[in-house]
Amino acid sequence: QQQVKQSPQSLIVQKGGIPIINCAYENTAFDYFPWYQQFPGKGPALLIAIRPDVSEKKEGRFTISFNKSAKQFSLHIMDSQPGDSATYFCAASHEKEAGTALIFGKGTTLSVSS
Amino acid sequence: DTGVSQDPRHKITKRGQNVTFRCDPISEHNRLYWYRQTLGQGPEFLTYFQNEAQLEKSRLLSDRFSAERPKGSFSTLEIQRTEQGDSAMYLCASSRGTGRPGELFFGEGSRLTVL
Repeated sequence: QQQVKQSPQSLIVQKGGIPIINCAYENTAFDYFPWYQQFPGKGPALLIAIRPDVSEKKEGRFTISFNKSAKQFSLHIMDSQPGDSATYFCAASHEKEAGTALIFGKGTTLSVSS
Repeated sequence: DTGVSQDPRHKITKRGQNVTFRCDPISEHNRLYWYRQTLGQGPEFLTYFQNEAQLEKSRLLSDRFSAERPKGSFSTLEIQRTEQGDSAMYLCASSRGTGRPGELFFGEGSRLTVL
């Protein structure tokens, strides 16, 4: 049972474009929704995260939009750069419950062309 | 923070051999996680420790897999009688027990190839 569904699988944008990656979750107990960025040969690195008490969070060029009623959240990358080319994973967990691990989506491979 | 460190970074072994991976978490983090990642997939949860106690194990963790975290510091993940299907990147992550426990910091992983 896949609890976090991510789309699209891959994405190609031109430099300066705004790629959008979407995730949907099933478990209404989830209360923590991070995005991770992974470069080839490296471990995932936390990019930005949101909790359900807000509908949007911005950090630099990265924005998460969160829709609790639809059980969906998305990542927007403003003014994308070639250095943003990486695989992006959404994830979810029930943070307040000790021991609940992050459940990851299958990832989106982003290519930003110059 | 010196970050999460994993060793070895790469391991090639023959089917049927045993392998062991080590993870050193960020020093003040009392939670430690093991994940497995195969090509084109997201990390899949294997097991979790809070201090030295192993609190959760995934169904993915067959009897051939065992993890330990003696004294609540570093952790080891052992795979016995390796199979070709065990070939994957094994990722370790750590987090704080309080504050923002959900923020996982990952190491660079240990890549296992079983021939």
